[in-house]
Amino acid sequence: AQSVTQLGSHVSVSEGALVLLRCNYSSSVPPYLFWYVQYPNQGLQLLLKYTSAATLVKGINGFEAEFKKSETSFHLTKPSAHMSDAAEYFCAVSERGSNYKLTFGKGTLLTVNP
Amino acid sequence: NAGVTQTPKFQVLKTGQSMTLQCAQDMNHEYMSWYRQDPGMGLRLIHYSVGAGITDQGEVPNGYNVSRSTTEDFPLRLLSAAPSQTSVYFCASTPLDGANVLTFGAGSRLTVL
Repeated sequence: AQSVTQLGSHVSVSEGALVLLRCNYSSSVPPYLFWYVQYPNQGLQLLLKYTSAATLVKGINGFEAEFKKSETSFHLTKPSAHMSDAAEYFCAVSERGSNYKLTFGKGTLLTVNP
Repeated sequence: NAGVTQTPKFQVLKTGQSMTLQCAQDMNHEYMSWYRQDPGMGLRLIHYSVGAGITDQGEVPNGYNVSRSTTEDFPLRLLSAAPSQTSVYFCASTPLDGANVLTFGAGSRLTVL
C-alpha cells in the first residue's frame, strides 16, 4: 500500500528565507506525486505534480519540487519565502493507471515571520 | 464554471441525527470522492466513485453511505451521526483521462454534539 510521510508538522521561516518542506513516499510502482496548499478556511489547491516527465517540477507561486527515486522523496522548495506563503501544505501520492485514489500526508503548517 | 460545489458549508448535528452533505460538479468528471480532514491527520478517503452507479470504500468508510445516480452529484450520507464524525469534509473530482489531479470543493464543516 502506498503511504506518505511529511517530516515536520510545523515549519517556521523568516520572510525571504528558503522554504523546504519534506515529503517521503512509499509505493510499489512509480507513482504520481503532488503538493497541495490549503489557505485558512479554504479548500485545497494544486501547487505542482510529478507524472514521470522532468524530475524537477515547477509549480505556482515560485514553488518547485524534485522527484528523487533513490531517496523516495519529493521535497518542496521555494528560494525566498513571502508572507502570503503561510498556509498548510500537503504531499500526496497515487498509483498510475486506473487507481485515482490519492493518499495524503498529515500536512505541514508553514509560518512566515516578518 | 462553478467547479465543485459543496453544501452546506457549516452544520451542527446532535448525536443520532442524520444528514446528507451535497457535492456537485459541472466539469463532467467521472471520478468523485469524499475526504475528511482532522487536525494532525491530513485528509483521509471515505468513499469514491468512478462513474454513475459505481461506488467503493476508501480508508475510513464506517458510518457513511454514498450513491452516484448521475455524473454530476455525489452525496455523502450520515445515517446516525456520532461525535467522532466532527470534521471538515471535502469533495473532490477528476477526469479519468487526467493525471489524477483532484479539484476540491471549499469544504463542509460538521460538528456533532
